[in-house]
Amino acid sequence: IQLTQSPSLLSASVGDRVTLSCKGSQNINNYLAWYQQKLGEAPKLLIYNTNSLQTGIPSRFSGSGSGTDYTLTISSLQPEDVATYFCYQYNNGLTFGSGTKLEIK
Amino acid sequence: EVQLVESGGGLVKPGSSLKLSCVASGFTFSSYGMHWIRQAPKKGLEWIALIYYDSSNKYYADSVKGRFTISRDNSKNTLYLEMNSLRSEDTAMYYCAKSSPYYVMDAWGQGASVTVSS
Repeated sequence: IQLTQSPSLLSASVGDRVTLSCKGSQNINNYLAWYQQKLGEAPKLLIYNTNSLQTGIPSRFSGSGSGTDYTLTISSLQPEDVATYFCYQYNNGLTFGSGTKLEIK
Repeated sequence: EVQLVESGGGLVKPGSSLKLSCVASGFTFSSYGMHWIRQAPKKGLEWIALIYYDSSNKYYADSVKGRFTISRDNSKNTLYLEMNSLRSEDTAMYYCAKSSPYYVMDAWGQGASVTVSS
């Protein structure tokens, strides 16, 4: 399954509601996770099984979706959220999306 | 606290071999599957290998199948990645990661850098 993330670059203001998209080439059956990777760091798991928040992750992060279309939402963007976000599917094989780089405007 | 520490990276010539290690602590290593994932410079993430908790099953990405071997020593809490016939396109940061039951990587090491160049 191939994953297409959009946009590739997103610029938003502090406090904005931000939505990142991930689309699969086939049905993912909700086996989708989201990772955050800050510059120079390893990725960190944010969301798994489409909408389950990993322990310790702020509640401003949420996930939704079904079928082939999934979304990561940050309800109120904070400066520390600057990072690249990757989606990851584990329904059929194990593949990552190409990432969305999130910047502060 | 889960900790994963990779080592063994370096600069090698095309066609050579290298073996990475990942020492785990803070969890019962022998109860969890483990992954290797790599990231080429300025690029995205690529899953490359998975090993079950008891080494009963191993899976590889097509890009490394037949050249790379994943293994583990549960008595030493250590995961390995043996890389043979290295190519320039294998240049990347290599991460080990703990697997959840759903094959989600829920903890990552800091990475080991591998550069393949003549």
